[in-house]
Amino acid sequence: GAGVSQSPSNKVTEKGKDVELRCDPISGHTALYWYRQSLGQGLEFLIYFQGNSAPDKSGLPSDRFSAERTGGSVSTLTIQRTQQEDSAVYLCASSSSRVEAFFGQGTRLTVV
Amino acid sequence: RKEVEQDPGPFNVPEGATVAFNCTYSNSASQSFFWYRQDCRKEPKLLMSVYSSGNEDGRFTAQLNRASQYISLLIRDSKLSDSATYLCVVKGNAGKSTFGDGTTLTVKP
Repeated sequence: GAGVSQSPSNKVTEKGKDVELRCDPISGHTALYWYRQSLGQGLEFLIYFQGNSAPDKSGLPSDRFSAERTGGSVSTLTIQRTQQEDSAVYLCASSSSRVEAFFGQGTRLTVV
Repeated sequence: RKEVEQDPGPFNVPEGATVAFNCTYSNSASQSFFWYRQDCRKEPKLLMSVYSSGNEDGRFTAQLNRASQYISLLIRDSKLSDSATYLCVVKGNAGKSTFGDGTTLTVKP
């Protein structure tokens, strides 16, 4: 596709369940970011993948959060044992060394 | 101290006003600079890159001051449609982009 694609666009889950959020970056983009944004707040950095380098996981808020990027393309963000405070919009972005970051439309996660 | 800092605002201005946002960054080795715009409940989108010599795109002017480590965005003749959150972005030499928390602008009739 032409842009960054995220799925699902909306996810409602029960507290304590695990969820997986998917990001398909723009083809050829070597860098991929995950951010979290609560209503009315700024972007909260979660994790950054760059090519084959070890990811920068410095933004992950707890060990319930993990992410992987397979084959340098698709990425999955997994949240285990979801809590209500995990409710937010999760945004994925991709970029390359020559191009600025493009964002997907996000996944709105609601934990009930 | 955050790597990228912005005045959160909000800035409330009348139509036709000129408004300026500043952003400071801590990493002197930063390579590239951008301004993004985020509308309510939408994803951020690139507004403009910021070049060392300063650059203009219509009513928008971006400037970079490497010595003082800040960038600015000037909006002239504000329109209602300019109401949004403006995010400052700094890209380091390792390729990672860091976003500021954004400055909220509301343009009123």
